[in-house]
Amino acid sequence: DADVTQTPRNRITKTGKRIMLECSQTKGHDRMYWYRQDPGLGLRLIYYSFDVKDINKGEISDGYSVSRQAQAKFSLSLESAIPNQTALYFCATSDWTGTKYEQYFGPGTRLTVT
Amino acid sequence: GQQVMQIPQYQHVQEGEDFTTYCNSSTTLSNIQWYKQRPGGHPVFLIQLVKSGEVKKQKRLTFQFGEAKKNSSLHITATQTTDVGTYFCAFDRYQAGTALIFGKGTTLSVSS
Repeated sequence: DADVTQTPRNRITKTGKRIMLECSQTKGHDRMYWYRQDPGLGLRLIYYSFDVKDINKGEISDGYSVSRQAQAKFSLSLESAIPNQTALYFCATSDWTGTKYEQYFGPGTRLTVT
Repeated sequence: GQQVMQIPQYQHVQEGEDFTTYCNSSTTLSNIQWYKQRPGGHPVFLIQLVKSGEVKKQKRLTFQFGEAKKNSSLHITATQTTDVGTYFCAFDRYQAGTALIFGKGTTLSVSS
């Protein structure tokens, strides 16, 4: 089974709808992240969390919110979806070893807002 | 804010040719990481460099971190079709394992 899972894998929604993307991990990592990927723009950090009580905004948090329900679960919500939020969304985890922390990415959720 | 520039954005090579992508910053970086994303896939960690002038090799891949810790490169010798994908560099903005800022990536295509 995959260590980092995302649901749904694909979603088409309409402008103004509320949508939640979910991420679960079995790696036991404390740190979790949400990124969006747009063609030619690379990966941009939306939110990150170091533990259940710690949530931080990333580069592009406007229009998004998150919830860390447990160490293993980190959800991303779009309160009122708009077309320019159409993108590929990745969840990631990491385990800080004191010298490095490689990030482990989920398979991604392709979101289309019409 | 602090960011890294990657060049080129796209590169097409014939199988067997070499390939290099560069990652440049205007400020000193504490470390640099490299990721590979295959078409339709997710980013996968390749390596982290932390020391000035560091060079690391993984089979046909050679990673370098500049002396001033402001640039890095990834060189692939004798490319293969399995090397196809997008290569990203990323740095830890605040150190201490906070959050990564990614470059826009270099997309490599290889024809046989």
